[in-house]
Amino acid sequence: SQTIHQWPATLVQPVGSPLSLECTVEGTSNPNLYWYRQAAGRGLQLLFYSVGIGQISSEVPQNLSASRPQDRQFILSSKKLLLSDSGFYLCAWSALTGLNEQFFGPGTRLTVL
Amino acid sequence: ILNVEQSPQSLHVQEGDSTNFTCSFPSSNFYALHWYRWETAKSPEALFVMTLNGDEKKKGRISATLNTKEGYSYLYIKGSQPEDSATYLCAFSGNTGFQKLVFGTGTRLLVSP
Repeated sequence: SQTIHQWPATLVQPVGSPLSLECTVEGTSNPNLYWYRQAAGRGLQLLFYSVGIGQISSEVPQNLSASRPQDRQFILSSKKLLLSDSGFYLCAWSALTGLNEQFFGPGTRLTVL
Repeated sequence: ILNVEQSPQSLHVQEGDSTNFTCSFPSSNFYALHWYRWETAKSPEALFVMTLNGDEKKKGRISATLNTKEGYSYLYIKGSQPEDSATYLCAFSGNTGFQKLVFGTGTRLLVSP
């Protein structure tokens, strides 16, 4: 069966510090991968998606970036965090074909102070 | 910009009450409509994926209907239980380009014993 891991679970970082969140998927090959953010009082916002190694599509302009160095690894980064980056970050995967049903990781709660 | 709206924003019912929520989405370029349940401190969990106009899906006490011509879906919970307390998200997938999901802001349900 497939499982998706995210770490860390919670993170408190000062403004201006770097960020690296990691997501890995097990039990599937060539998944589509996604990073979402839920800011306070708002819905799930798609930040990035990837259909393959090294292929990243950005949905919204921001100071975040994503990378996919391996087939089942997806990393969310920032060089300098802003207060507005606080939120709950979810990684998800879906099969390469089908109805794009997405399966979510446990999430990371990021607080930028 | 695709707009997916859910109502009500929140709902508080008593155990045993039946309830329903609405998801509105674009009626053009429709591919699929997803419903997820998101419990506090857990990952969003897929409930249903619907693709055909008039589709009706059921899982236990929860069911959903789909009207693609007018762009809405209803989620029904019969005989609500405290364990049904969660945020219910719907997500629209279009048939142009990459089939990413556009999420609504969710309906937060609280069921009191």
